[in-house]
Amino acid sequence: QQQVKQSPQSLIVQKGGIPIINCAYENTAFDYFPWYQQFPGKGPALLIAIRPDVSEKKEGRFTISFNKSAKQFSLHIMDSQPGDSATYFCAAAISGTYKYIFGTGTRLKVLA
Amino acid sequence: DVKVTQSSRYLVKRTGEKVFLECVQDMDHENMFWYRQDPGLGLRLIYFSYDVKMKEKGDIPEGYSVSREKKERFSLILESASTNQTSMYLCASRPGQGRGYTFGSGTRLTVV
Repeated sequence: QQQVKQSPQSLIVQKGGIPIINCAYENTAFDYFPWYQQFPGKGPALLIAIRPDVSEKKEGRFTISFNKSAKQFSLHIMDSQPGDSATYFCAAAISGTYKYIFGTGTRLKVLA
Repeated sequence: DVKVTQSSRYLVKRTGEKVFLECVQDMDHENMFWYRQDPGLGLRLIYFSYDVKMKEKGDIPEGYSVSREKKERFSLILESASTNQTSMYLCASRPGQGRGYTFGSGTRLTVV
């Protein structure tokens, strides 16, 4: 069964810290790895995404690191702010299909 | 920006009722999806549609059906609501494969 395992389940950091959320996958037939941010009462919003031919991608304070050989990818949030407090989901798109596999989410709290 | 609109934010229905959840997107996206979101389980795919009048079962289609008569509208139908269908339902759309989703704000359904 194709899975994406996300950790940790929850995370608390001080303002300015660098929270890191990790995802690991078990199938090589994924070709797109997005991260979504979800605030309470809202739907998830696409934050940043990477394809497997790239090892790192930065957009503002958000960085994805991708390790193809280890089948792992992670989200780093630089200079985290209280407004970053949200739930973050990783996902992997199954190559040649319409389906994503989502991680179970990480609830991040950034303390002021 | 693409907008995905779900007709209801909160719904309370009785066991056995037939329930319709409506979703409309305004950017001519080919693909549309219905997910349910439950604590600890992440997002699970119920059904998706890659084109008008086309539909495919996701991972948990039992007890649900869908309709896509027009490109912009994708409806989720609970044929006979049960308490285990109490959940947050999220609609999403995207232009095509290998692209990110745009989610609606969700419908929180309670079946009593």
